[in-house]
Amino acid sequence: NAGVTQTPKFRILKIGQSMTLQCTQDMNHNYMYWYRQDPGMGLKLIYYSVGAGITDKGEVPNGYNVSRSTTEDFPLRLELAAPSQTSVYFCASSDPGQGNYGYTFGSGTRLTVV
Amino acid sequence: GENVEQHPSTLSVQEGDSAVIKCTYSDSASNYFPWYKQELGKRPQLIIDIRSNVGEKKDQRIAVTLNKTAKHFSLHITETQPEDSAVYFCAASRNYNQGGKLIFGQGTELSVKP
Repeated sequence: NAGVTQTPKFRILKIGQSMTLQCTQDMNHNYMYWYRQDPGMGLKLIYYSVGAGITDKGEVPNGYNVSRSTTEDFPLRLELAAPSQTSVYFCASSDPGQGNYGYTFGSGTRLTVV
Repeated sequence: GENVEQHPSTLSVQEGDSAVIKCTYSDSASNYFPWYKQELGKRPQLIIDIRSNVGEKKDQRIAVTLNKTAKHFSLHITETQPEDSAVYFCAASRNYNQGGKLIFGQGTELSVKP
């Protein structure tokens, strides 16, 4: 199993541009999450999904959108990028019903908006 | 909303000493409390977790204690080693079995000096 795969690893965007951060997991986990990590601020939840077709807002959803058309994929869309969205983005998945209580994190996407 | 506060933000200890990191949570319905370790440039990794029906859990040199009345939980690392140097995050969740999201603390940067 590859676990949780995020692409790209690094990206520089200009203000006002849009992009999609990709996240795929091959563990058949029902639950998937997007977090952003800023220095000294911990991990803040952007959006999450408890299954295909179901998404919900987290702590900091403004400026982002998500979709969950399949169990495997949970892309994060940034529209009209702003400098405040410069951050490291982590996708994660879990499925306590499978006996896996921890999150499995992807390797992260480092995004800079200039 | 739900909130998790973590202290201290930085902690420096001598090799062989103990380290203690403390967290408080605001949602009295929280029932799952994991701890993650994040090495520089890497993804967070689960190191230990505790559920609300247990007061203490140990795994070799690490232990976690939970005080539900005070809404407080702590990570204890004994006989610290240089490879314990990392950022540690606490988190809390309600209904984790049903995909309840994790709310993270701000992180503690632990430095273990040889």
